[in-house]
Parts: sequence; structure tokens; C-alpha cells
Amino acid sequence: AQSVAQPEDQVNVAEGNPLTVKCTYSVSGNPYLFWYVQYPNRGLQFLLKYITGDNLVKGSYGFEAEFNKSQTSFHLKKPSALVSDSALYFCAVSPLHSGNTPLVFGKGTRLSVIA
Amino acid sequence: SAVISQKPSRDICQRGTSLTIQCQVDSQVTMMFWYRQQPGQSLTLIATANQGSEATYESGFVIDKFPISRPNLTFSTLTVSNMSPEDSSIYLCSVRTGDTQYFGPGTRLTVL
Repeated sequence: AQSVAQPEDQVNVAEGNPLTVKCTYSVSGNPYLFWYVQYPNRGLQFLLKYITGDNLVKGSYGFEAEFNKSQTSFHLKKPSALVSDSALYFCAVSPLHSGNTPLVFGKGTRLSVIA
Repeated sequence: SAVISQKPSRDICQRGTSLTIQCQVDSQVTMMFWYRQQPGQSLTLIATANQGSEATYESGFVIDKFPISRPNLTFSTLTVSNMSPEDSSIYLCSVRTGDTQYFGPGTRLTVL
């Protein structure tokens, strides 16, 4: 069965510093990997995805993520954090390119960017 | 992509009553998903709703407590029945189009 692990409940970073939010996955076959962000009192917003191709994918708001097959990781990164990036971040995985199955989500990592 | 709206956005209800949450999608989709999220916590899948058939519930969730309707390809409702304070959560509607999943803004439910 597929699963996603986000080992950090909370990540704190100073504004202007680079940030990393970690995610590892377990899935049979080729994974489809996703990152979502949830701002307070909002639903989840899609940030970026890896399906195939270049291991470094770029998404919304200056975020990017690197797919590493050997380490089964898909860490979310941003070169320079903003206070407005403070939110809850979810990693998700799907082994199938199918609209009939939901993604499997990690437990979430709360990012706090301090001015 | 898909744009999803939910009604109501929030509600405060009394113990023992029921609340029906509506979910509307701007395009036709085969499956719709309903999630529960404790504030600041992860998502828990309640059920998958396919148009024209009974919803499929995840372990720990039953139809009597969370009846779901799916009358067409753009709409679904989730009812939270006989509510207790433990049902206080955010309820999210979601669809997957192609390879990406999209979410509604959520319904924040408080049960007193």
C-alpha cells in the first residue's frame, strides 16, 4: 500500500532564509507526487506535482520540489522564505494516473516563517 | 483544473441535530471525495461518492452517520447526523481531474 511520511510536525525559518519541508513516500510502481498548501481557514491549494521528466519541478509562489527516486523523497523547497508562506503543507502520492482514486496524504507540516 | 464551492462555509449546531453540506463543482467529474479535518491536523477520507451508486465509506465511517447523495456529475451532499461535539471539524469536498486533486474551501462545523 502507498504511504507518505512527513517527518516534521513543525518547521521554523527566518524570513529570507531558504526553507525545506521534507517528504518521503512508499509506493509500488512509478509515483505521482504532489504538494498542497493550506492557509488558515482555507481549503487545500495545489502547489506542484511530479509526474515524469525533470526531477526538479517548479510550482506556485516560487516553490519547487526535487524528486529523488533512490531516496524515495520529494522535499519542498524555496530559496527565500516569506512571512506569507506560513501555512500547513501536505505531501501526497498516487501510484495511478486515475481520476477515480484519491491521493494519499501525509500528516502535514506546519511552516512558520519569522520576520 | 476544477473550481469547487461548498455551503455553508461554517455553522454552529446543537448536539443531536443534523447538518447537510453541499458541494458544487464547475465541471463533470466521476468521483467526489469527502474528507474530515480536525483543525490544524491531517485529512481523513470519509467516503468516495460515485454518481448513480452508493458511496463507498472508509473504515470508521458509516452511512447512517454520514449519508451522502450524488444526484449528478457536478453535485454532492454530505450529512452529518445526530451530531456530537466530537464531530466538530472541517469537512472538505474534493475531486480529482486527470492526475491532480482539487479541494473546496471547506465547511467549519462546531457542535455544542
